[in-house]
Amino acid sequence: DVKVTQSSRYLVKRTGEKVFLECVQDMDHENMFWYRQDPGLGLRLIYFSYDVKMKEKGDIPEGYSVSREKKERFSLILESASTNQTSMYLCASSGTGIFKAFFGQGTRLTVV
Amino acid sequence: DAKTTQPTSMDCAEGRAANLPCNHSTISGNEYVYWYRQIHSQGPQYIIHGLKNNETNEMASLIITEDRKSSTLILPHATLRDTAVYYCIVRVASNTGKLIFGQGTTLQVKP
Repeated sequence: DVKVTQSSRYLVKRTGEKVFLECVQDMDHENMFWYRQDPGLGLRLIYFSYDVKMKEKGDIPEGYSVSREKKERFSLILESASTNQTSMYLCASSGTGIFKAFFGQGTRLTVV
Repeated sequence: DAKTTQPTSMDCAEGRAANLPCNHSTISGNEYVYWYRQIHSQGPQYIIHGLKNNETNEMASLIITEDRKSSTLILPHATLRDTAVYYCIVRVASNTGKLIFGQGTTLQVKP
């Protein structure tokens, strides 16, 4: 069974901390995505990557960065966490061509 | 990628067919229609996709109108477990690019 695994289901961090959210996929997919989901705002794309070391901004990249050093791993970095980054974060991966994406279970991040 | 319009919410009786519409009047000839759903507290799940022809798999059927300006996702015998937000997405097949979700339709299946 295909799998996208996010490192934590729940995370609590302090304001100003550097936060790493990790995502690993086992499908040899080229494309990987990071979204955040907030009530009333739906799923919003933060960043995506189409190859190792390649990244592109999504719709809300401010306050975030990403890293993709290996094909199977895509990390989301909050350089200095703020309370308005409290959210559910979802990682996804897909192959090329038809975008049949697979999602992880999500990380609920609370910044206090 | 073309914009999609979906109703905000719909109800369906358990055991009946759920028909979820999506309007994509500006769709281009090389854009596919995808459907995903998100059950509460889970990540979205791919359901089905199509280009021109109607498609069916173990989860659902997808009916695309001849002019491709709209489509309908059909869950033939809805169960309580089908209660979810359903997203209709239109995009080209390509090696890279964004996968953007709209607001979707909240389907409530009632006993």
